[in-house]
Amino acid sequence: GAGVSQTPSNKVTEKGKYVELRCDPISGHTALYWYRQSLGQGPEFLIYFQGTGAADDSGLPNDRFFAVRPEGSVSTLKIQRTERGDSAVYLCASSPSDRVGETQYFGPGTRLLVL
Amino acid sequence: AQSVTQPDIHITVSEGASLELRCNYSYGATPYLFWYVQSPGQGLQLLLKYFSGDTLVQGIKGFEAEFKRSQSSFNLRKPSVHWSDAAEYFCAASGYDYKLSFGAGTTVTVRA
Repeated sequence: GAGVSQTPSNKVTEKGKYVELRCDPISGHTALYWYRQSLGQGPEFLIYFQGTGAADDSGLPNDRFFAVRPEGSVSTLKIQRTERGDSAVYLCASSPSDRVGETQYFGPGTRLLVL
Repeated sequence: AQSVTQPDIHITVSEGASLELRCNYSYGATPYLFWYVQSPGQGLQLLLKYFSGDTLVQGIKGFEAEFKRSQSSFNLRKPSVHWSDAAEYFCAASGYDYKLSFGAGTTVTVRA
């Protein structure tokens, strides 16, 4: 079946601009996660959704970052007033539930470059 | 603080040779442990995971990992690597929640 998809695959923007990154989870998965992977590092947790609500946004670096999942499926990560330090690969993952140890299935990521 | 460490940034191995990737964790209690592989342009793919029980875990693509509580380690092994195993490998852990903490990754190069 279809895995997690993310669009766009690459995004180049200028400092100060607004960007939206989209994630389509695996059908039927209730839990959705966003991670950020900077060059040479492992992914870092940003935010977690169970259904439509953000159950944990403790990883968002500041208030320029925001994410929504209005219908409990597709999610959008929004970054306002982008900065060069926001350049990274943004990964989305989904899992059938948020049970402890549940496997998270990752998408290919969106590579964001802020000039 | 909870953390995962992969001491080796880059490993080069000959095709057909054995491979071992190291992973150490620092958690208050034994965490749930995972190994993922990331190929260029691909998402992270789960190779195997450990929760409890048998400390030797078998995964996909011929990989296995051994949990050693005394060493706080969860090393990944493969007896004979193939050129297609060239990728970046990440060890990850989670406590009693859903957040994965990843190591910095180990890049594996396979030479003919």
